[in-house]
Amino acid sequence: GENVEQHPSTLSVQEGDSAVIKCTYSDSASNYFPWYKQELGKGPQLIIDIRSNVGEKKDQRIAVTLNKTAKHFSLHITETQPEDSAVYFCVCKGSTLGRLYFGRGTQLTVWP
Amino acid sequence: DADVTQTPRNRITKTGKRIMLECSQTKGHDRMYWYRQDPGLGLRLIYYSFDVKDINKGEISDGYSVSRQAQAKFSLSLESAIPNQTALYFCATADRGRSAITDTQYFGPGTRLTVL
Repeated sequence: GENVEQHPSTLSVQEGDSAVIKCTYSDSASNYFPWYKQELGKGPQLIIDIRSNVGEKKDQRIAVTLNKTAKHFSLHITETQPEDSAVYFCVCKGSTLGRLYFGRGTQLTVWP
Repeated sequence: DADVTQTPRNRITKTGKRIMLECSQTKGHDRMYWYRQDPGLGLRLIYYSFDVKDINKGEISDGYSVSRQAQAKFSLSLESAIPNQTALYFCATADRGRSAITDTQYFGPGTRLTVL
């Protein structure tokens, strides 16, 4: 199966600063890379995704980059706000039909 | 997401008891999943189902069983609960959709299970 490594496990930033979360994966057949955000007491929710034929995607303050050669992808959040505080998961869709593989998560805290 | 509901939301039980966690969805999705979340370990897949007649084991199926009673219902059972099954359990759904590439999963609010 797929192996997804995610770093850092915790990240604290000041409001307005940028935050970056990095992930690596092992299965070169992986072709879809979503990011999920989990707020306290809730289930994870998709916030952005990228396909293997695209190197970068941006949606307002969040952006994702993908380097298929190096098998790593990253989430970038600019102008962070306290409501960005949550656990973020990087995810891969591997070669097994319908399966998603989750990283261990990054607890992001944005201090006002 | 209110379209995916889980019952109960919290449960405390004792070692050896049989427990059933239930998941219902109104999204009309054909795929359903059960995950377990432990601190620092992310989400690990227990079982998944692509339709009523299809059940598949995930990474950590030992000690668990599932039943897909209908397209909208997917239950997870712990036949004889043990303390290391204390965790947060999530149900998720996904639609096959027109594209085979994406597989967005929609998660329920979770069930916090404590086994004493």
